[in-house]
Parts: sequence; C-alpha cells; structure tokens
Amino acid sequence: AQSVSQHNHHVILSEAASLELGCNYSYGGTVNLFWYVQYPGQHLQLLLKYFSGDPLVKGIKGFEAEFIKSKFSFNLRKPSVQWSDTAEYFCAVNFNNAGNMLTFGGGTRLMVKP
Amino acid sequence: EAGVAQSPRYKIIEKRQSVAFWCNPISGHATLYWYQQILGQGPKLLIQFQNNGVVDDSQLPKDRFSAERLKGVDSTLKIQPAKLEDSAVYLCASSLGNRGSTDTQYFGPGTRLTVL
Repeated sequence: AQSVSQHNHHVILSEAASLELGCNYSYGGTVNLFWYVQYPGQHLQLLLKYFSGDPLVKGIKGFEAEFIKSKFSFNLRKPSVQWSDTAEYFCAVNFNNAGNMLTFGGGTRLMVKP
Repeated sequence: EAGVAQSPRYKIIEKRQSVAFWCNPISGHATLYWYQQILGQGPKLLIQFQNNGVVDDSQLPKDRFSAERLKGVDSTLKIQPAKLEDSAVYLCASSLGNRGSTDTQYFGPGTRLTVL
C-alpha cells in the first residue's frame, strides 16, 4: 500500500536554528505533495504544495520544500525558525492523481525554544 | 470568508452508544471529506463526497460508520455502535472540487470523540 513516512516525531530547536523535516513516500508514479501545519489550538492549514515544475517550492512564513523524485522525498526547510513556528507539521501525498485523496504522514511535532 | 464549521467540538460517550457529527463546508465548495485522526497519527481519509455523491469510502468501516451529504452542502458522520478504538478527532475538510488532484483542502476544527 502507498504510504507516507515522517521519521522525526519530535524536534526541539532554539530560535534562529535551521529546520529540516523529512518526508518520504512509497510510490514511483505521479504524486502531488503537500505540507500542512497545525498551530496550537488551530485548524490544519496548508503551508505549501508541489504539483509540477521547479522542484523547490516556497510557501508561507519563509518555509520551502524540495521534491527529490529519485529519493521519493519532499523535505520541509526553514533557514531560521522562530518561537511562533512551534506547531505540528504534516506531510501529505496525493498518489497518481487519484481524485483528491490525501495520504498523510504521522506528523512531526516541532518545539522552538525562545 | 467563513471556514469549515464542525459541531460538536467535544463528545464523550460510552461504548456501544451512537454519536453523530455535523459539518458545514465553505460556501461553494463541492467536495467534502471526513478524516479520522487518532492521537499521535496523521489524519486518515474516511470518505469523500463530490456534491452529494460518494467519490471514495474505501476506508470507512461500513459496519458501524455512515455518512451522508443529502443536499450537497452539509454533511453528517455517524458511528453506531461506538467502540473504544473510535476515540479520535474527526476532521471535516472541503475544497472547491474543480481542480482535481491539485485542489487545496481546507480543514475544520474537528470533533474530539472519547469513547469510554
């Protein structure tokens, strides 16, 4: 079955540190890729998405992600995190243009220390 | 623009009881989704509607779960009878439904269900 893996379940960083969260998926066909974020007490919201074209995509709040097809990966990055980035981050994949069905990873809980 | 509305926000029931959740999507959104998010896991799609028709319900435990979207707007998700393992947050999401697999899904606040 197609799956999405986020290997880092919990990450703790100090402010201004660089962030990279891993996301891997188990499928060699066409994929559409998403990162969602859930701030404490808030709804899940879209951070960025990749469908085609430039594999380096930029999202809101200074986040970016790079699609590496050969590695089946879509890692999320931010050069310098802020305390307000404390949240849970979810990678999601639409496999083979299957309607609009998303398969989510297990999430990574990020805590940024001030 | 109003977001996706869900009610109730919290529900506590005993096993074998029934429960229903309600979702009102963003106005004009044709596609509606119900997800189950168990603590410590990512959301798992239960059912997807396009207007009032079911697109996919392959992961819906149909022996106890049911969902409907009769007029293509609001939707209800029901569990009858509930089991302990149904304890989770039930998320509703909606999307325009006109961009296929590149549609952005907008999520509601969820209903946290505890089954005792």
